[in-house]
Amino acid sequence: ETGVTQTPRHLVMGMTNKKSLKCEQHLGHNAMYWYKQSAKKPLELMFVYSLEERVENNSVPSRFSPECPNSSHLFLHLHTLQPEDSALYLCASSLLGGAGELFFGEGSRLTVL
Amino acid sequence: DAKTTQPPSMDCAEGRAANLPCNHSTISGNEYVYWYRQIHSQGPQYIIHGLKNNETNEMASLIITEDRKSSTLILPHATLRDTAVYYCIVKSKVDSSYKLIFGSGTRLLVRP
Repeated sequence: ETGVTQTPRHLVMGMTNKKSLKCEQHLGHNAMYWYKQSAKKPLELMFVYSLEERVENNSVPSRFSPECPNSSHLFLHLHTLQPEDSALYLCASSLLGGAGELFFGEGSRLTVL
Repeated sequence: DAKTTQPPSMDCAEGRAANLPCNHSTISGNEYVYWYRQIHSQGPQYIIHGLKNNETNEMASLIITEDRKSSTLILPHATLRDTAVYYCIVKSKVDSSYKLIFGSGTRLLVRP
């Protein structure tokens, strides 16, 4: 238990669906991250939020839309995804100015049919 | 951030020490060495980090060479639950957010 909770743990969706992934942390952290891990590939950083402001968007397609309403919550809104978007989506949080330790959630495994 | 090089895979016997090497020959003076691990289908877990001194915590020890161009993560008594992919990452603490960039890591198999 890392203190970072992701829901749902598993999601299957069609290409025309709209769904959202949710991440929640109550560690008092003020930076949050979305990573994508496709099969047999390294983790890819998608988005970084620092003090609820998006500070990094690593050329992620617009069909992925992040939202950070407060420092404890992070969402990834999904719409018109492609089968190649099937992956494990990992959320992490950290404390700005701290030791640089990221705390990861267990991930949401997404399958796009 | 400096690039790291790790062997793709290693194995060790249960109860023995596991020594995982990492090369970071282009590391600069303000960059730290971080180690994370990822057990199958879970999120990565922080293990340890250091700048130039050797570090030890309840999980592992980190040995950094004097020239800082390489380091070794030591799991002193490996157990089957230590089977995982281990990532060595070099990162400056200048940035206010710690957007760690993960490579392919070393897949460690602990044998019974």
